[in-house]
Amino acid sequence: NAGVMQNPRHLVRRRGQEARLRCSPMKGHSHVYWYRQLPEEGLKFMVYLQKENIIDESGMPKERFSAEFPKEGPSILRIQQVVRGDSAAYFCASSRRQGPRNTNNEQFFGPGTRLTVL
Amino acid sequence: GESVGLHLPTLSVQEGDNSIINCAYSNSASDYFIWYKQESGKGPQFIIDIRSNMDKRQGQRVTVLLNKTVKHLSLQIAATQPGDSAVYFCAEKAPWDTGNQFYFGTGTSLTVIP
Repeated sequence: NAGVMQNPRHLVRRRGQEARLRCSPMKGHSHVYWYRQLPEEGLKFMVYLQKENIIDESGMPKERFSAEFPKEGPSILRIQQVVRGDSAAYFCASSRRQGPRNTNNEQFFGPGTRLTVL
Repeated sequence: GESVGLHLPTLSVQEGDNSIINCAYSNSASDYFIWYKQESGKGPQFIIDIRSNMDKRQGQRVTVLLNKTVKHLSLQIAATQPGDSAVYFCAEKAPWDTGNQFYFGTGTSLTVIP
């Protein structure tokens, strides 16, 4: 019963290159969340997706960042033309189907992808 | 904007002692809170949660207390063990309908001294 999987675990890119981060949610989970964590800081919400839909991208920078969660395959967080400030750990979490507003679905986190921009 | 923060960035305790980690939140409408533990190089791991209609919840060796009057959350760890050394985050749930997002505080680094 695999948990949330992320790959690669470590990614090094030069400024101006593209970074693609992948997240496979837990089996049975259809909700995916991406967070960014800078060194010695908390996690910052970026985007919330369901299959083929972006539900909330209010935490994602307007430029260079995009996310998708296709019908088949993992969720992808894509960062174009990376800059040094993009260096961080990017965590993906998944949860089961969203219930009524007053129920809460625990988010299970993956091990993260550590992006280093040279 | 609203934010979640922690009072103490670091905490050192002797093995066997009890630990208390504090968290302040500013969004009085938040209705759900979670404590996460993050070990070095790993993703956050759920410890315990509490809803806003409760003021206390106990788990195995952990207790979460919620004081809505002063918007304060605490995590108590009984008989702290070396394996408890990690960064602990509190997270609050945004009280909106569209998502299940959580907003995290900066974290407290707990070090257990053998």
